[in-house]
Amino acid sequence: DAEITQSPRHKITETGRQVTLACHQTWNHNNMFWYRQDLGHGLRLIHYSYGVHDTNKGEVSDGYSVSRSNTEDLPLTLESAASSQTSVYFCASSPRTGGYEQYFGPGTRLTVT
Amino acid sequence: GQNIDQPTEMTATEGAIVQINCTYQTSGFNGLFWYQQHAGEAPTFLSYNVLDGLEEKGRFSSFLSRSKGYSYLLLKELQMKDSASYLCAAFSGGYNKLIFGAGTRLAVHP
Repeated sequence: DAEITQSPRHKITETGRQVTLACHQTWNHNNMFWYRQDLGHGLRLIHYSYGVHDTNKGEVSDGYSVSRSNTEDLPLTLESAASSQTSVYFCASSPRTGGYEQYFGPGTRLTVT
Repeated sequence: GQNIDQPTEMTATEGAIVQINCTYQTSGFNGLFWYQQHAGEAPTFLSYNVLDGLEEKGRFSSFLSRSKGYSYLLLKELQMKDSASYLCAAFSGGYNKLIFGAGTRLAVHP
């Protein structure tokens, strides 16, 4: 069955370290998204991509970067982790641009100490 | 601007009906999604309304009024497993992305 996976599921890292969170989907969806979820804020968009080599900034992109070298993967990199980036991170994908359902991965809980 | 408002918490009794409201202000509004999210899990799709009116899907129904910037999710015959957060999200055609509310945490009691 097609799916969307994230790894690692849990990560503890130190302030200042570079961290990469992986997202892989097997639906062959063009659109992929990264969100962070914090209490009281709901899901906030970090970066998104509408296809290979396309990346765009969301509302909370500072300190994060993404690259899209193939259809299946959109890794999220924290260049220099900060305690404010402690959060739960969700990756999502959708088949086309427009009002289409997004399918979410299981999430990565990141703690920055 | 972009703004989605929904109540933070609600409680209800097993077997009852509960209505979760959502108001939105979104540039280029194109539709309204509802997602369910159990604690520690990923959000899962419940419904998508583009046109005004009520869409029914089993025990769950969703309503949209575009002129009022208002939607609600109606859950009937509540079950304990319906205890979860319910996320309202407006699709912005202008920005081509989803804008999420903070979510409503529903607790269903026996």
